[in-house]
Amino acid sequence: GENVEQHPSTLSVQEGDSAVIKCTYSDSASNYFPWYKQELGKRPQLIIDIRSNVGEKKDQRIAVTLNKTAKHFSLHITETQPEDSAVYFCAASKGANNLFFGTGTRLTVIP
Amino acid sequence: NAGVTQTPKFRILKIGQSMTLQCTQDMNHNYMYWYRQDPGMGLKLIYYSVGAGITDKGEVPNGYNVSRSTTEDFPLRLELAAPSQTSVYFCASSSTGLPGNEQFFGPGTRLTVL
Repeated sequence: GENVEQHPSTLSVQEGDSAVIKCTYSDSASNYFPWYKQELGKRPQLIIDIRSNVGEKKDQRIAVTLNKTAKHFSLHITETQPEDSAVYFCAASKGANNLFFGTGTRLTVIP
Repeated sequence: NAGVTQTPKFRILKIGQSMTLQCTQDMNHNYMYWYRQDPGMGLKLIYYSVGAGITDKGEVPNGYNVSRSTTEDFPLRLELAAPSQTSVYFCASSSTGLPGNEQFFGPGTRLTVL
C-alpha cells in the first residue's frame, strides 16, 4: 500500500512569516494529493489539493507544489496568522478516493 | 444540509463489549468512509463503501464490520472491544470516488475502551 511521510511534526513561526510542510509518498500511481487542516477537537477540513497533472496550485495565502519524479509535495503558507494554528495533514490517493494520510504537523503561529 | 453527522460524540466501553457507531449524510453521496485517528497520528481507513450494498476493507479493518443498506447511513460495528480500539473515529463521504472529489468529514466519535 501507500506510505506517506510528513515533516516536520511540529512547527512554530512568528506571525507574518511563512510556513512550509513537506510530504513524501511511496506509490508512483498516486495521483491526488489533498491537504487537511484540523483544529483542536474538530473534524479535518480540506484546504487545498493538487492532482498529478499539475505542478503547483495557489489559493490566496496557501500554495501546494508537487514533484512527481521525486514523489514529494509541499504546503506553503505565507503571511501566517494566529488562526492558521492547527494540525495539518497531507494525504495521497490513487483510486476509489481512498486517502492515505501523513502523521500530521502541528503548526503554531506566535503573535 | 446537516452534512455528515455521527453519534455518539463520546463513549466508554469495557473490554469485550460491542457497539455501533452511527454515521449519516444528507448530501446524497455515493461514497462513504470510516477512519480512525490515534493520538498524534494521521487518519487510517477502516472500511469504505461505493454505494448501497457494497463495502470494502481499507487499511485497518480487523475488529470492525460495516453495512450499507441505504445511501444515507454507514454504521460501523465493533463486536469485541479491545483497548487497541481506543481512538477517535471519523466518518466521511464524497459524491464520487474520482480523485479530487472532496471528502467531507463528520465531527467524530471519541471511543475509550477500558
